[in-house]
Amino acid sequence: AQSVTQLDSQVPVFEEAPVELRCNYSSSVSVYLFWYVQYPNQGLQLLLKYLSGSTLVKGINGFEAEFNKSQTSFHLRKPSVHISDTAEYFCAVRNTNAGKSTFGDGTTLTVKP
Amino acid sequence: DTAVSQTPKYLVTQMGNDKSIKCEQNLGHDTMYWYKQDSKKFLKIMFSYNNKELIINETVPNRFSPKSPDKAHLNLHINSLELGDSAVYFCASSQDFLQGNTGELFFGEGSRLTVL
Repeated sequence: AQSVTQLDSQVPVFEEAPVELRCNYSSSVSVYLFWYVQYPNQGLQLLLKYLSGSTLVKGINGFEAEFNKSQTSFHLRKPSVHISDTAEYFCAVRNTNAGKSTFGDGTTLTVKP
Repeated sequence: DTAVSQTPKYLVTQMGNDKSIKCEQNLGHDTMYWYKQDSKKFLKIMFSYNNKELIINETVPNRFSPKSPDKAHLNLHINSLELGDSAVYFCASSQDFLQGNTGELFFGEGSRLTVL
């Protein structure tokens, strides 16, 4: 079994400030890790993913995430956010052998002017 | 071209009615899914089909019945709608996991169901 915990349900920040959205996971086997973004009234789209190799992965819109195996974390970061980054962010994990993706409960990022 | 498209986008209906949501993907993927997103934005998988065969069936009431006529289509039929069925339903697809792909999901825009 696997699970995902997003540690912050809501993160308000001011425009141009840095942001970190935290994600911890639990799994007894190797996993792939994903961050998805959901803009208002839209479906989810992939922001970035960790499969293997370098623990720092870069995604779209200036986001990046770092995989930390010892801490079983996959935190998402952006050095300077824009109003347009206001959205719901979901961390997800998937067993490398098979199975479904398990999603965290989401983090609402609100960027204020 | 929309990769994963679902219709209708909005659906308002009375309790007890039966309704369907349709989904089509033009990505050539082998696996399709239905997810339910509740009012708190929590996302839960309901069903998954691989090449028209049901492979994941979470604890979903029997009133929900998915149907996949071919691997590009996955429809969701809901009988005897209840107030608690109000949610946004997302269709998604992914390439066959067994082919060494990572299982990245491609989502539709969602179908907002409101049961009165």
